[in-house]
Formats: sequence, structure tokens, C-alpha cells
Amino acid sequence: AQKITQTQPGMFVQEKEAVTLDCTYDTSDQSYGLFWYKQPSSGEMIFLIYQGSYDEQNATEGRYSLNFQKARKSANLVISASQLGDSAMYFCAMRDLNSGGSNYKLTFGKGTLLTVNP
Amino acid sequence: NAGVTQTPKFQVLKTGQSMTLQCAQDMNHEYMSWYRQDPGMGLRLIHYSVGAGITDQGEVPNGYNVSRSTTEDFPLRLLSAAPSQTSVYFCASSYRMRTEAFFGQGTRLTVV
Repeated sequence: AQKITQTQPGMFVQEKEAVTLDCTYDTSDQSYGLFWYKQPSSGEMIFLIYQGSYDEQNATEGRYSLNFQKARKSANLVISASQLGDSAMYFCAMRDLNSGGSNYKLTFGKGTLLTVNP
Repeated sequence: NAGVTQTPKFQVLKTGQSMTLQCAQDMNHEYMSWYRQDPGMGLRLIHYSVGAGITDQGEVPNGYNVSRSTTEDFPLRLLSAAPSQTSVYFCASSYRMRTEAFFGQGTRLTVV
């Protein structure tokens, strides 16, 4: 069974500073994908970044980067130059890529609430 | 391009009532799923579908039914609403396993 752990219920960061949101995962699968989503107070789920377990380089998308350490089973999200609009709940999720449709589901962590202070 | 559309956005039910949450996507995605989000619990999978005519149970399926008669639509039925089903419900779709899931805007359901 897959499990995602986000150990930081809440984080605070000053505007324009960088912040790292932690995510560790547990799986016996060799091929899997890791996702980060942002959920602002309005409630929608916004996809941020994806990392495959066999990707050689860490994923980056604009101000978002994923610090992927496979041996430690961690996939931390780094947000550079934080903005007030980054204040939101952030979810780490994973999906097994091996077994076709039967393992299609995303397993989510419980989330980290990020607050960006001016 | 509308993406994933969920209706209604808000709903209040009385215990024992039934209802259907609608979900439609216009991206020709094979994979669709329903999640519920409860405070402190993250998102948990209720049911999912890997194509028209194919559905399966997720982590918390009890009290819910689904069907997938077309690629576009994936309705979630509450058979007999209970207060424990008070939650925010999200429908999601994906093109492939390695691509992100697109989420609907959510349905906030309250069962009294």
C-alpha cells in the first residue's frame, strides 16, 4: 500500500523568501509518479509539478521545483521567491505507474497550510 | 475548453435522502475518479473508472454508487445520505497515468 506523509501541518514564510514543504512516501513499487497540488481558500485543486520515479533530473516549473531524493523516499516542494498568492494548502500525492488502470488512484497526504507574510 | 465540470457546487440533504453529483469532462480523458475531502484527512478515493463501462471501488466506497456510460460523464450517487457523508467532493480526470489529474471545482455537501 502507498502512503504519503506531510509532517508540517502549517508553515510560515516571508514574502520573497524560499520555502520547502516536506513530503515523504512509502511504496513497494518501482515505477511511480509524484505530484504536488495547491488548494487556495477558494477550494479548487491546482496542479503544480510532477516527478516520475525514473526521471533523472528534478522537476522544475517556474518558481516550483521538486527536490526528489529517491533513496530517502522524499519529494519536497521548493517554492522560490514566495508571493502572497502562494498562501494555500499544498498536497503531495503519488500514483503507481506499473499496474495499469487498477492502480490509477492518487494517494494524497494530509496537506501543509502555507502562509506567506508581507 | 470547460475542463471538468461538477454540479451542484453546494447541496444540503436530509438524512436518508438520495442524490446524484454530476461530473462531466470534455477532454476525452479515459480515467475519471471521485474523491472526498474531510478536514485533516486529505483527499480519499471513493470510486474510479478507467473507461466507459468500467468502474471500481476506491478507499471509501460505502454508501456511494457510480456508473460510466460515456467517456464524458461520471456521476456519483448517494443512496441514502448520512451525516458522515458531509464533505467536499471532487471529481477528477486524467489522460494518462503519467499526467496530472484535472479536478472539478468541488461540491460542498452537508447532510443534516
